[in-house]
Amino acid sequence: GESVGLHLPTLSVQEGDNSIINCAYSNSASDYFIWYKQESGKGPQFIIDIRSNMDKRQGQRVTVLLNKTVKHLSLQIAATQPGDSAVYFCAEPNQAGTALIFGKGTTLSVSS
Amino acid sequence: DAGVTQSPTHLIKTRGQQVTLRCSPKSGHDTVSWYQQALGQGPQFIFQYYEEEERQRGNFPDRFSGHQFPNYSSELNVNALLLGDSALYLCASSFPVPGLAGGIDTQYFGPGTRLTVL
Repeated sequence: GESVGLHLPTLSVQEGDNSIINCAYSNSASDYFIWYKQESGKGPQFIIDIRSNMDKRQGQRVTVLLNKTVKHLSLQIAATQPGDSAVYFCAEPNQAGTALIFGKGTTLSVSS
Repeated sequence: DAGVTQSPTHLIKTRGQQVTLRCSPKSGHDTVSWYQQALGQGPQFIFQYYEEEERQRGNFPDRFSGHQFPNYSSELNVNALLLGDSALYLCASSFPVPGLAGGIDTQYFGPGTRLTVL
C-alpha cells in the first residue's frame, strides 16, 4: 500500500559531521520522492526531490540517494550546522498524484 | 513575494464548537491542500481544492469541510470539535502539473494554525 516511513526517530550529531537520514517506502510503483525540513513552530520546507529515473541528486550541502531495489532513500547533509536541527520528513505522492504521504519524521539534533 | 500565509496562528476551542481556519496561497498558485499534523507525526492529507472545488479528499470525516474562493484563498471548517482534533493544521499551495510523474508540483507549506480543543 501507500506508506513512507523512516528508520530512526532521532539522530544526534556534532557540528561539522555529515548526517544521514534514512527512509523506507513500500510501494514499488512510487516514482517521485521529496524531503522536507520542519523547524519548530514552522511548516515543512522543501529541501530536495528525486524521481525514480535517478539514483542520486545533489543540492546545496544535501544529497538524496534512491535505491529502488530495496525501496530505500536517504538524505545526506554535509558539514551539519546547528541551523540544520529540525524534523526531517520523506514524502511521496499518493496514487492519485494530488497529495503527499509523509512518514513520521526523524528529529536531527546538532550540537556545537 | 509572499509565501503561504495562514490565520490565526493559535486557536483554543472547546468540544462541540466549530472552527474556521484560513489560508492564502503563494502568489501565482491556484491549488490549495490542507493537512493535519498531530504531535510527533507527519502531516496527514485532509483535502485539496482546485478551481473552487474539492479535487480529492483524504480519510477524514465530513465534519471537515472546506472552501476555495475566486482569489484562490481557502478555508478549512471543522464542526463538532473533538479532543482528537487538536493538531497543527497546515495549508500547502502548488501548481497542478497534469502528466508530470506523480502529477504533483512542489507543495509550499504555510506556518500552520495550532488548534487546541479542550
